[in-house]
Amino acid sequence: EVQLVESGGGLVQPGRSLRLSCAASGFTFDDYAMHWVRQAPGKGLEWVSGISWNSGSIGYADSVKGRFTISRDNAKNSLYLQMNSLRAEDTALYYCAKDNIGSGSFDYWGQGTLVTVSS
Amino acid sequence: DIQMTQSPSTLSASVGDRVTITCRASQSISSWLAWYQQKPGKAPKLLIYKASSLESGVPSRFSGSGSGTEFTLTISSLQPDDFATYYCQQYNSYSLSTTFGQGTKVEIK
Repeated sequence: EVQLVESGGGLVQPGRSLRLSCAASGFTFDDYAMHWVRQAPGKGLEWVSGISWNSGSIGYADSVKGRFTISRDNAKNSLYLQMNSLRAEDTALYYCAKDNIGSGSFDYWGQGTLVTVSS
Repeated sequence: DIQMTQSPSTLSASVGDRVTITCRASQSISSWLAWYQQKPGKAPKLLIYKASSLESGVPSRFSGSGSGTEFTLTISSLQPDDFATYYCQQYNSYSLSTTFGQGTKVEIK
């Protein structure tokens, strides 16, 4: 059974940093691209960042470019999101999602970890 | 960047109704489009990928169509479990980036 479990969220002050983690199981992690998607309270889905299976290709939304860094450790079946210079508008539930090979869609999602940026 | 526009934003319907949601892309995306269902407090669930392919385990009352810039999600006979918010998503295979539509909430009439 595919499982994605996010962790690392919490309350953080504006300008500070936070690192999110996503532990994957139930599939061959290093075969798939992975993504982070966020959802602000009461709002829609916003793609944040994606990384290819071998970290050779990485993409970011304009809203986080230069502040967030995605990475993965295939030996640990884990995905990460380093978030620096956090802003109030980064407050959201952050989901980790697995790429559905060859389609550009996401076939499995975690339950999310909540990041709240507030003083 | 490619923008995705869903319509309507909210839809009121009854059990048994045929429901159609539209998603328009600001430029051609071929068939790189997916549809998701999200219920309150839950993660999104993949329904349709590559515009018209039904994800495994998804009921056949869900179908997708379209290519280029205009796409539709159709629920042939709305069931009580289908009241939720639906999102379209486009994918750019060259840059690993993707964009979601703003969502369509399907409510009970």
